[in-house]
Amino acid sequence: NAGVTQTPKFRILKIGQSMTLQCAQDMNHNYMYWYRQDPGMGLKLIYYSVGAGITDKGEVPNGYNVSRSTTEDFPLRLELAAPSQTSVYFCASSKPTGTEAFFGQGTRLTVV
Amino acid sequence: AQRVTQPEKLLSVFKGAPVELKCNYSYSGSPELFWYVQYSRQRLQLLLRHISRESIKGFTADLNKGETSFHLKKPFAQEEDSAMYYCALGGNTDKLIFGTGTRLQVFP
Repeated sequence: NAGVTQTPKFRILKIGQSMTLQCAQDMNHNYMYWYRQDPGMGLKLIYYSVGAGITDKGEVPNGYNVSRSTTEDFPLRLELAAPSQTSVYFCASSKPTGTEAFFGQGTRLTVV
Repeated sequence: AQRVTQPEKLLSVFKGAPVELKCNYSYSGSPELFWYVQYSRQRLQLLLRHISRESIKGFTADLNKGETSFHLKKPFAQEEDSAMYYCALGGNTDKLIFGTGTRLQVFP
């Protein structure tokens, strides 16, 4: 069972570059989430989606964009990378929020 | 606003000692609360949720709406319990918000 798959696992970006973090799930979950994890700060919600074609901002959306063209995929886009975006990014999916969320293995991003 | 507070960044205990990881929340609607755990080099995974009212790996958590708390407890800690623990809050806003996490260290 694949569950939630994130690619890449590691990436180094230069300031001003752009990239897309990929997230795919095969559990037919409607809800998907992107978080960033910084030391001592826990997980901060960046964006979330309750179904294909629907996205909404979380706690820290600035500097990021998302799309949800299919139920399976929820890519996160960084347009102009900044050092403040150095973090570990987690994607998760679930049925409605009262149920268990399943997480990907994370993407460690460094912006230099 | 939907908010989760975990006041302790680090909790260190010896094997066999009781453990309580604190979680307080702020939410105007009907809360759905969870504890997630992240073991070293592993993904976050669900430990338990308040609606299930079950004990997982010896851990329990009771939702106290009066005190807006959902503390995680275990009577006798084990070394394998060492991990990062996150309290999370969901509800009818569709967001799933996490606290800052508490690192539990259990010494032999």
